[in-house]
Amino acid sequence: GAVVSQHPSWVICKSGTSVKIECRSLDFQATTMFWYRQFPKQSLMLMATSNEGSKATYEQGVEKDKFLINHASLTLSTLTVTSAHPEDSSFYICSARRLAGVSEQFFGPGTRLTVL
Amino acid sequence: KNEVEQSPQNLTAQEGEFITINCSYSVGISALHWLQQHPGGGIVSLFMLSSGKKKHGRLIATINIQEKHSSLHITASHPRDSAVYICAAPRYSGGSNYKLTFGKGTLLTVNP
Repeated sequence: GAVVSQHPSWVICKSGTSVKIECRSLDFQATTMFWYRQFPKQSLMLMATSNEGSKATYEQGVEKDKFLINHASLTLSTLTVTSAHPEDSSFYICSARRLAGVSEQFFGPGTRLTVL
Repeated sequence: KNEVEQSPQNLTAQEGEFITINCSYSVGISALHWLQQHPGGGIVSLFMLSSGKKKHGRLIATINIQEKHSSLHITASHPRDSAVYICAAPRYSGGSNYKLTFGKGTLLTVNP
């Protein structure tokens, strides 16, 4: 099956620093990648949709300048949390879709971010 | 009212029992996803189905598009099936993009 990896799986950083999370589709080319965040005992919340080579589309209420998304290739998207604060502590999950339209999404294992 | 409703929210079963989790949705869709999230957080896509029934091992998913209802069944449940099961419906969001709307999940605990 299709595999999506994320790196790192967990990260602890100091308030004010920036953290980069990578999402890779290992055995397929992803037309679209999605970034979600999940707070404890809550559903996944879509942060942004990213298509290779174009700017990401952010959901309402998600700050573009704070959560920088780069989808430089068909197998790699990165999410950078800039000037992280404790309220940014969360579980960040990416998913990748191989085909356009309604098609299966494959999820990464997630990255747990803790900001001290 | 949530666009995707799951029931029950919590389910405890004994090993070997037949499990059913239900999902009703109000958004117009052509397919539905069933996902599994283990305590560690990683999410696995179990099924994407647009009609009828799909089976994978002990897991069976059914969908009735007209009634906007889907069920996930687990036969001969096992403690390793303990996880959160999430249904998600794709909604058109412009261009060729579809966004998933997630149910709140069903926490399944299977006791030995």
